[in-house]
Amino acid sequence: DGGITQSPKYLFRKEGQNVTLSCEQNLNHDAMYWYRQDPGQGLRLIYYSQIVNDFQKGDIAEGYSVSREKKESFPLTVTSAQKNPTAFYLCASADTFSTDTQYFGPGTRLTVL
Amino acid sequence: KQEVTQIPAALSVPEGENLVLNCSFTDSAIYNLQWFRQDPGKGLTSLLLIQSSQREQTSGRLNASLDKSSGRSTLYIAASQPGDSATYLCAVRGSNDYKLSFGAGTTVTVRA
Repeated sequence: DGGITQSPKYLFRKEGQNVTLSCEQNLNHDAMYWYRQDPGQGLRLIYYSQIVNDFQKGDIAEGYSVSREKKESFPLTVTSAQKNPTAFYLCASADTFSTDTQYFGPGTRLTVL
Repeated sequence: KQEVTQIPAALSVPEGENLVLNCSFTDSAIYNLQWFRQDPGKGLTSLLLIQSSQREQTSGRLNASLDKSSGRSTLYIAASQPGDSATYLCAVRGSNDYKLSFGAGTTVTVRA
């Protein structure tokens, strides 16, 4: 089965903790993206990566970090510097040389306790 | 900075009625526009992608039009069904980068 997987589905964080959200794709897509979704708002881009070992900040990168060591994987770390991390996090991938359609994972809901 | 607006924020129609969802964007220098569907608590599913050189795309009961010069796109869903109830989001990719700018979405309820 080809697709994008995100884990965990639900995540709870205590104040001052760093947490890492996993995103894996087996679609052989070159580009991967992380978005944050808050109630009643559209998706906002956190980071994106076009190739391995390279990534760019999106519109709301402060308090987040990423890595792209493998084509298939693009983990997102929510650091303690992110003051309001409670949100729904979505990962996506795309073949920018072909259709450019973005395919999304099922999401991770992060709650700060 | 690209701003994407979707009006109305919510829409309720009886089953069988045609749906018309609107999307507007401020910068006409786009590469493509995509329409997505999102069910509650789930990820997004791509419905249609329109390249900047195209005027419309069709898939089954769905038809999306693009008027780049006026910064507008419309998604038409024919003969709506209760299963069409979801939030529909449009997103625009700029011509100079790979980023998508999203609207806040229109939440559709189709009443049986």
